[in-house]
Amino acid sequence: GAVVSQHPSWVICKSGTSVKIECRSLDFQATTMFWYRQFPKQSLMLMATSNEGSKATYEQGVEKDKFLINHASLTLSTLTVTSAHPEDSSFYICSPNTLGGPNYGYTFGSGTRLTVV
Amino acid sequence: AQSVTQPDIHITVSEGASLELRCNYSYGATPYLFWYVQSPGQGLQLLLKYFSGDTLVQGIKGFEAEFKRSQSSFNLRKPSVHWSDAAEYFCAVGSSNTGKLIFGQGTTLQVKP
Repeated sequence: GAVVSQHPSWVICKSGTSVKIECRSLDFQATTMFWYRQFPKQSLMLMATSNEGSKATYEQGVEKDKFLINHASLTLSTLTVTSAHPEDSSFYICSPNTLGGPNYGYTFGSGTRLTVV
Repeated sequence: AQSVTQPDIHITVSEGASLELRCNYSYGATPYLFWYVQSPGQGLQLLLKYFSGDTLVQGIKGFEAEFKRSQSSFNLRKPSVHWSDAAEYFCAVGSSNTGKLIFGQGTTLQVKP
């Protein structure tokens, strides 16, 4: 259980355009989704937490107007990188909050590698 | 504040040798601890986790880790490393309140033939 599908796996976009990343929970309902970012050869850092039916919460230093998060249903959370720039090139990974369950810490999306040119 | 430290950025071991990757954490309560492996360009795979109980935890691929509260450590070990173990390894602590994971900086494991 607790399977998450994330796509696209990789995307190349031009500077100034927007990119949407989707994360779908396939066999459970995710009321909360964590979005992490990993720059090349660095660790994963939590960017934001999306909450179904309410506003996302952002970690310090993350621009909420640049990284738009939508969690309109219990099975879909999206991250949109708006007006992308080369410094936004990174690996983005979603992970549902399964705290309290047997899958806590187990489930991650496969990641999206964003390259902005 | 919660934090995770992996003191070794890069480790090289010979194939067949034993391995220990260090992890130290700072957390106010009983931590949820994890070890993950990440191959180049890939996502994360959970190796093992500790929530409570037996402090020696067995994981997949022959890995184990030992939780030592007195040392705030959760070191990962493997008795005999295989070439396929070459990858990036991350230690993480999970918040028992929010579920958020805080990751260490990662340790790159290189395996010599």
